[in-house]
Amino acid sequence: EVQLVESGGGLVKPGGSLRLSCAASGFSFSNAWMSWVRQAPGKGLEWVGRIKSKTDGGTTDYPAPVKGRFTISRDDSKNTLYLQLNSLATEDTAVYYCTTRGAYDSSGYWGYWGQGTLLTVSS
Amino acid sequence: DIQMTQSPSTLSASVGDRVTITCRASQSISIWLAWYQQKPGKAPKLLIYKASSLESGVQSRFSGSGSGTEFTLTISSLQPDDFATYYCQQYNGYPYTFGQGTKLEIK
Repeated sequence: EVQLVESGGGLVKPGGSLRLSCAASGFSFSNAWMSWVRQAPGKGLEWVGRIKSKTDGGTTDYPAPVKGRFTISRDDSKNTLYLQLNSLATEDTAVYYCTTRGAYDSSGYWGYWGQGTLLTVSS
Repeated sequence: DIQMTQSPSTLSASVGDRVTITCRASQSISIWLAWYQQKPGKAPKLLIYKASSLESGVQSRFSGSGSGTEFTLTISSLQPDDFATYYCQQYNGYPYTFGQGTKLEIK
């Protein structure tokens, strides 16, 4: 069974940093393209970035609102995905989900989601 | 960026009704569109991908159609479990973008 478990959320002051983690199991993580999607309270869904598998280059892509502030990385030895968030602003307050389609599938839609972790940016 | 616009934003319907939600893209995305269902406090659930392909395990009362810039999600006979918020998402190119959501409420 595929499982994605996010952690690391919490309360951070504006301008601060935080790293979120997503522990994956039940599939070949090293061969999966992984994404992060966020949802501000009461709002819609927003894609915040993707990392390819290392065999596909391991590169990342980000949308403009987070590019240069957020960094996605992965540790395939630990089956863990990370999201480093820097220069946080109040508008980054959201539930952050990690997502994937699974191994060997580079599709840009996602059938597996974690339960999400809440990040609150407030002074 | 490709803008995705859903209509309506809110839809009131009854159990047994046939409902349709529309999603329009600001430019052609071919068939690279997915639909998700989300319930309060839960992660989204994939329903449809490639505009009309039903995700494994999803009930056949859900169907998708369209190509280019106009797409629809149809629920053929609403069940109590279907009252939720629905999102479309394009994956034709980066950045991936979602519609603003359609909340399906009980009439």
